[in-house]
Amino acid sequence: GAVVSQHPSRVICKSGTSVKIECRSLDFQATTMFWYRQFPKQSLMLMATSNEGSKATYEQGVEKDKFLINHASLTLSTLTVTSAHPEDSSFYICSARVWRPNSPLHFGNGTRLTVT
Amino acid sequence: TQLLEQSPQFLSIQEGENLTVYCNSSSVFSSLQWYRQEPGEGPVLLVTVVTGGEVKKLKRLTFQFGDARKDSSLHITAAQPGDTGLYLCAGKETSGSRLTFGEGTQLTVNP
Repeated sequence: GAVVSQHPSRVICKSGTSVKIECRSLDFQATTMFWYRQFPKQSLMLMATSNEGSKATYEQGVEKDKFLINHASLTLSTLTVTSAHPEDSSFYICSARVWRPNSPLHFGNGTRLTVT
Repeated sequence: TQLLEQSPQFLSIQEGENLTVYCNSSSVFSSLQWYRQEPGEGPVLLVTVVTGGEVKKLKRLTFQFGDARKDSSLHITAAQPGDTGLYLCAGKETSGSRLTFGEGTQLTVNP
């Protein structure tokens, strides 16, 4: 159980375009989802916490107007990278957890974004 | 924000050797998870430890949570090439749902 599906797995886009990444919890409801960014052979950097039905909470230094997060249902959160630039190229990973004490995070398989 | 220091950052060993990865913090965590990640994929949960002093075993992997719930270790016995990957520890803050990740340990086991 506790499967998180992330789509697409890879996307290549041109500078200036926007890209939407979806994160779905397949067999559980997730009131909270998390979006991370990861550079090669480095740890995960939390970008924002996505809360169902309310605004996302962004980490310091993450531009909320550039990385738009929508969590419209208990099983779906989306991250839209707006006006993408080559420096936005990275591995983006979402995660969610079953809401019980000390439950672990379950991660999607990530999205490799390449901006040309 | 609670910090979690993970060491070593890189580790390259021969098949059959043993190794230990450490995660240390000056802060107390309510629980700590260990994940393993392969290139191009999301992290996969290995174990969750909750109780101070707790030891959990997963085949050749032994996980320990410090008595004060500030540190943890992962010990791998007789490492195999299939153990190669990025190992991440993550501590859950005592308040809230946020996870703090260590910097990761890139393990390479050579045949």
